[in-house]
Amino acid sequence: QLQLQESGPGLVKPSETLSLTCTVSGGSVSSSTYYWGWIRQPPGKGLECIGTIYYTGATYYNPSLKSRVTISVDTSKNQFSLELSSVTAADTAVYYCGAYDSSNYFGWFDPWGQGTLVTVSS
Amino acid sequence: DIQMTQSPSSLSASVGDRVTITCRASQSISNFLNWYQQKPGKAPKLLIYAASSLQSGVPSRFGGSGSGTDFTLTISGLQPEDFATYYCQQSYSTPPYTFGQGTKLDI
Repeated sequence: QLQLQESGPGLVKPSETLSLTCTVSGGSVSSSTYYWGWIRQPPGKGLECIGTIYYTGATYYNPSLKSRVTISVDTSKNQFSLELSSVTAADTAVYYCGAYDSSNYFGWFDPWGQGTLVTVSS
Repeated sequence: DIQMTQSPSSLSASVGDRVTITCRASQSISNFLNWYQQKPGKAPKLLIYAASSLQSGVPSRFGGSGSGTDFTLTISGLQPEDFATYYCQQSYSTPPYTFGQGTKLDI
């Protein structure tokens, strides 16, 4: 059973870089079935897809964040990571990693990690 | 980008009621539409994919329909555990796949 778990600092200073890692268990990040994604949710607000990465390294980023986002995959550790640079208070959110199942013509995020709250504050 | 608009933003209902939540896409997305349920402090859970296919393990009181730009999520016979926030998400074309703003269903 595929499971995902986010890890990383819960507090980041303004203008610094937010870095999170998602560890995949019960499956491989090298699987051709999945894209691996990051989604965030500011407190009390809705969901925003940050971007996805395929095991080949192909990435897709939300245009609104593209200039500040890097998503990478580490097949040796079975992990993928998010870096978001030049953060401000507006980047305070719960960050989720998710497996985007593309095994058939349609696709969806399932499963998700439990989420990790990242607060941007000095 | 494809914009997803849900209505209503919030909805009050009672146990046993039938409720309908609507999601509209800014352009045709065929049936590339998913529905998720999120409870407070938890990650979203996939309910329906491809507009009308029920994810394994999801109760049959949940149903989805629609194609093109207009979609609905229907819950027939609300149960106490169904009070949550519901999101639609389009998976058309290339990522990132946008979500609706959510519909909070409460008692």
